[in-house]
Amino acid sequence: EDKVVQSPLSLVVHEGDTVTLNCSYEVTNFRSLLWYKQEKKAPTFLFMLTSSGIEKKSGRLSSILDKKELFSILNITATQTGDSAIYLCAVLGGDSGAGSYQLTFGKGTKLSVIP
Amino acid sequence: NAGVTQTPKFRVLKTGQSMTLLCAQDMNHEYMYWYRQDPGMGLRLIHYSVGEGTTAKGEVPDGYNVSRLKKQNFLLGLESAAPSQTSVYFCASRSRRPGVLEQYFGPGTRLTVT
Repeated sequence: EDKVVQSPLSLVVHEGDTVTLNCSYEVTNFRSLLWYKQEKKAPTFLFMLTSSGIEKKSGRLSSILDKKELFSILNITATQTGDSAIYLCAVLGGDSGAGSYQLTFGKGTKLSVIP
Repeated sequence: NAGVTQTPKFRVLKTGQSMTLLCAQDMNHEYMYWYRQDPGMGLRLIHYSVGEGTTAKGEVPDGYNVSRLKKQNFLLGLESAAPSQTSVYFCASRSRRPGVLEQYFGPGTRLTVT
């Protein structure tokens, strides 16, 4: 059974701190790993990682994938209150017999940034 | 360009009632998905579709049916609602183009079954 495990499940930091969110996975037919940010409503896309060791960066957020050790990290530097959200890790893979790979989601990390 | 829309946004059902959730996308995406999100459980795939007229079961399909009669619409049906189906339901879609793996999500439907 495909599995995605995120840690920690929740985190409280002060503005300006740097945080690292973890995601480990066991998925058959791995295709890629995606990070999403979920505030009050729908998840919004942050990054997609397909190759090991290549850092993706967007402003204060960055992420990297290790396909040998089967994990990814999401870093947020100089955190702001607007970074407060649930961060979801999802891995695309599984059985493509029905014509499409599926996303398996972790339970998410709830980040709270306090002023 | 509205992206992915879902109706209704909220609904309260009594046990045993039926209802249909509608998902519509205007991005001409081939693949569409229905997820449910429960506290502490992440998102779990209910059913998905790789094209008009085709559907497949996901991780938690029991108690739900789906139909994809038109490419832009994906319907999720509950024939006899149960309290265990109280959840937030998200629809998503993505393109079939090679290398385009991002799924776009709708705003969600909050369903309560009493």
